[in-house]
Amino acid sequence: EAGVVQSPRYKIIEKKQPVAFWCNPISGHNTLYWYLQNLGQGPELLIRYENEEAVDDSQLPKDRFSAERLKGVDSTLKIQPAELGDSAVYLCASSLLAGGTDTQYFGPGTRLTVL
Amino acid sequence: DQQVKQNSPSLSVQEGRISILNCDYTNSMFDYFLWYKKYPAEGPTFLISISSIKDKNEDGRFTVFLNKSAKHLSLHIVPSQPGDSAVYFCAASNVQGAQKLVFGQGTRLTINP
Repeated sequence: EAGVVQSPRYKIIEKKQPVAFWCNPISGHNTLYWYLQNLGQGPELLIRYENEEAVDDSQLPKDRFSAERLKGVDSTLKIQPAELGDSAVYLCASSLLAGGTDTQYFGPGTRLTVL
Repeated sequence: DQQVKQNSPSLSVQEGRISILNCDYTNSMFDYFLWYKKYPAEGPTFLISISSIKDKNEDGRFTVFLNKSAKHLSLHIVPSQPGDSAVYFCAASNVQGAQKLVFGQGTRLTINP
């Protein structure tokens, strides 16, 4: 069974440029998560989707970040414009259900460097 | 406000010995705890979990202990193997409240041959 797929794996951009990350969750998984992981820190939730609906986006900086999950499968996370402090690893995860004990499976992440 | 803390950034253990990774939390509403393992350039992978109704959960070489009164959990790996070298994250959530996972900062474990 294929795991969570993310692309690109690495991205280097100049500040003020836009950037987008793509995630394909494990087939059949209804819940999708985007996390931000800064160097030396654990992942922090940005947004959680249940099917197409964003049910928790309280930690998403909505002035520059946006996300969508069309048709309840793939998802895209966008930053526009990017700032130096956005340099981090962006992780996507999925789980079968939204239950608190449901295991989250993580993708390899996209490492973003903003110059 | 760091609700989940792993105070040891790194730990070095000899192969065959026991590795003990520690984690402290402050939110008394947390009722479900997990450990994830992360290799370089990969995403975290689930290792083991424990509900607050238990104080111990064992899976092969991995055992998680939960001390609710001290708000402390630990992961024991015995015997430690070179392939266990990775970064370990503890995480916690409030299942009843359908709250998000909160991760610690991680501990880098190195198993020396």
